Amino acid sequence: DAKTTQPPSMDCAEGRAANLPCNHSTISGNEYVYWYRQIHSQGPQYIIHGLKNNETNEMASLIITEDRKSSTLILPHATLRDTAVYYCIVRVLGMNYGGSQGNLIFGKGTKLSVKP
Amino acid sequence: DSGVTQTPKHLITATGQRVTLRCSPRSGDLSVYWYQQSLDQGLQFLIQYYNGEERAKGNILERFSAQQFPDLHSELNLSSLELGDSALYFCASSPKGLAGAYEQYFGPGTRLTVT
Repeated sequence: DAKTTQPPSMDCAEGRAANLPCNHSTISGNEYVYWYRQIHSQGPQYIIHGLKNNETNEMASLIITEDRKSSTLILPHATLRDTAVYYCIVRVLGMNYGGSQGNLIFGKGTKLSVKP
Repeated sequence: DSGVTQTPKHLITATGQRVTLRCSPRSGDLSVYWYQQSLDQGLQFLIQYYNGEERAKGNILERFSAQQFPDLHSELNLSSLELGDSALYFCASSPKGLAGAYEQYFGPGTRLTVT
């Protein structure tokens, strides 16, 4: 599985967009990009995932570059409750779900601090 | 609320003891994963079960074991506890189907303190 590189920390003003970058330059064609976040000591929370097209859901948008070597998670209007550690994870989607090893490999992530 | 429940929320025990952590996955989810989070190691995958069968193992110690029961709830057993086993233990479940393997829903965790 491809490794990811994220900045250790970022600040964002409340109400502004938070753009969290992730570098995955060794990603292969069948690897998806997943984003999770963990608010202090709570269980990690799934945010979004994508393969090559940009994706949007009620929580965030995921922008993946055309060469797929990097991606950006966008929280359009950050609130204080978005303060958390954000993890970018790259994994191959198991083709045989019953036999696939679905464990997530967490790095150190980016600690996002949203400030009033 | 992710729909995954874990009990107990907190557990304090002494070195050498044995404890059991319990997890109930979201309704309909067949896969259960256990993760350990300690201050120095971050989030580490321990073990995965799918529909009652062990599917993958991570850095799980031999003193630790797990199982998934026919009703799909899972238990993580930790024995001969050491101070270094103090950590948050998370359970996660994922939806059935090809698209859901890494879309995992985590429980609130069990905080284990070994004294």
